[in-house]
Amino acid sequence: GAGVSQSPSNKVTEKGKDVELRCDPISGHTALYWYRQSLGQGLEFLIYFQGNSAPDKSGLPSDRFSAERTGGSVSTLTIQRTQQEDSAVYLCASLTGGDTEAFFGQGTRLTVV
Amino acid sequence: QKEVEQNSGPLSVPEGAIASLNCTYSDRGSQSFFWYRQYSGKSPELIMFIYSNGDKEDGRFTAQLNKASQYVSLLIRDSQPSDSATYLCAVTGSARQLTFGSGTQLTVLP
Repeated sequence: GAGVSQSPSNKVTEKGKDVELRCDPISGHTALYWYRQSLGQGLEFLIYFQGNSAPDKSGLPSDRFSAERTGGSVSTLTIQRTQQEDSAVYLCASLTGGDTEAFFGQGTRLTVV
Repeated sequence: QKEVEQNSGPLSVPEGAIASLNCTYSDRGSQSFFWYRQYSGKSPELIMFIYSNGDKEDGRFTAQLNKASQYVSLLIRDSQPSDSATYLCAVTGSARQLTFGSGTQLTVLP
């Protein structure tokens, strides 16, 4: 596709379950970010992948959160043992690299009940 | 201190007026500065970027950067109701990480 694709669009899960969120970036984009946005709040940085470099994981809020990017393309954000405070919209953005425009996916709205 | 700070607003201006949005950042090594617009329930989209000190104009939008003061602003001339949205300031810091402010909610009143 032409844009950044995220799946699922919506996810409702029970507290304590694990969830996987997927991001399919724009083909050829070397940089990929994950952000979290709670209602009425700004974007909270989670993790940054750039090419083959080690990812910047400094924004992950706890060890329940992890992410990987396979083959420099698709990325998966995994949240283990979900908590109610994990409820938010998770946004993925891809860039051609460097200081360029970030293209965002439509987000995954996660609700932990 | 947050890395990127914005006045959360809400900011209300009448149609046709100039809306002024401000942002400060803490990392002196920051090199690139962006303004994104986010409509309610939608994802952010880029409206302006600026790399050098001074002003950059694009249509009704002007971005202003002052690296000495660690300050970046966005002016929207002839504001329209369709400009009503949350405006997010974003900065690429010395660690090459794209960091966003919390956003300023703008309402343009018809």
